[in-house]
Amino acid sequence: DSGVTQTPKHLITATGQRVTLRCSPRSGDLSVYWYQQSLDQGLQFLIQYYNGEERAKGNILERFSAQQFPDLHSELNLSSLELGDSALYFCASSVAASGGPWETQYFGPGTRLLVL
Amino acid sequence: SQQGEEDPQALSIQEGENATMNCSYKTSINNLQWYRQNSGRGLVHLILIRSNEREKHSGRLRVTLDTSKKSSSLLITASRAADTASYFCAPIQGAQKLVFGQGTRLTINP
Repeated sequence: DSGVTQTPKHLITATGQRVTLRCSPRSGDLSVYWYQQSLDQGLQFLIQYYNGEERAKGNILERFSAQQFPDLHSELNLSSLELGDSALYFCASSVAASGGPWETQYFGPGTRLLVL
Repeated sequence: SQQGEEDPQALSIQEGENATMNCSYKTSINNLQWYRQNSGRGLVHLILIRSNEREKHSGRLRVTLDTSKKSSSLLITASRAADTASYFCAPIQGAQKLVFGQGTRLTINP
């Protein structure tokens, strides 16, 4: 158990809908990272937050957004969902006192999203 | 940011044998990390090797780093069924985000 929790574990929704994925980092970790893993794209970095502020951005679509709250949990919002958004979404956290992504990252169990 | 390229893409061995997988990258790094992913689950950090280190051990894992060849290898000795997973390397330069390749899919046959 990495100490990172993600909810829900599974999510089934329809195209055009909006969903929110939630992540709670390990106690004391200030950085949260979001990744998307699909069969054709592999594991893609989406976005990083450090202590409430956006730190780095990857291949995140404009339809997607994230935020990190004062208690350090994070939410990833996916809107106008398309079939191709079906994937595993992982959250990771790190101690990252400096916010550098070279810190060891601890991954959550993921949320499996299926868009029908 | 740069991505590591793992090789081979797939590896199947008998339980008890050693498994070796390789990672190549393109530019200089500060450190390189190896992660494991069991099917459908999150990645688990295995080991980090810094650019000034040549070899590092952790239990049955041995990682080498050759910065002149821009490559790293992960050796798993005395493999077990539980080692069946995908293995990813992540070369890190400065404050770059982690970028993962397609990984090596390791299957340990009983």
